[in-house]
Amino acid sequence: EDKVVQSPLSLVVHEGDTVTLNCSYEVTNFRSLLWYKQEKKAPTFLFMLTSSGIEKKSGRLSSILDKKELFSILNITATQTGDSAVYLCAVVNAGGTSYGKLTFGQGTILTVHP
Amino acid sequence: EPEVTQTPSHQVTQMGQEVILRCVPISNHLYFYWYRQILGQKVEFLVSFYNNEISEKSEIFDDQFSVERPDGSNFTLKIRSTKLEDSAMYFCASSDNIADQETQYFGPGTRLLVL
Repeated sequence: EDKVVQSPLSLVVHEGDTVTLNCSYEVTNFRSLLWYKQEKKAPTFLFMLTSSGIEKKSGRLSSILDKKELFSILNITATQTGDSAVYLCAVVNAGGTSYGKLTFGQGTILTVHP
Repeated sequence: EPEVTQTPSHQVTQMGQEVILRCVPISNHLYFYWYRQILGQKVEFLVSFYNNEISEKSEIFDDQFSVERPDGSNFTLKIRSTKLEDSAMYFCASSDNIADQETQYFGPGTRLLVL
């Protein structure tokens, strides 16, 4: 069974701090890893990673994948209160008849205080 | 920007009743999904749907559940006889093509409460 574990489970920081969120995974036939941000309701897509060592960047957010050590990190620099959310990591298994089924971790709750 | 929409946003029902949750995926997308999130727990995959048929389903998706794409725009999840443990947030998602199907875009969810 595919497994995704995120750490820490929760994090409280002040505006301007830099945070690193971790995601480790076990999947029989890895295809990709995705990061989502979940505020009140729907997870919103941040990044999709398929190759090791290639950093994806969007503004203050960046992410990288290590397929040898089976983990990914999500960095947020100069945090703002609007970054407060649950950050979800999910993996896609390439095996069998999988049509993109996402297996999610439990999420990291990030709280950014002014 | 195109987005996935879901109705209703909240649904309260009595145990044993049937509910239908509705979703309108992004218009050019071909792959459709339902997930659920029980309060305080992980987002869990229920079912994926492509070319008018189920392509994969989880153990959660038993005979009480069904999905349908009744027309060119809607995608529905039906729970025939709801149980207390069906109370959860239900998310619909869609993606566009087989090369990019992992990039799923989620709707705002329907919060289902079974009493």
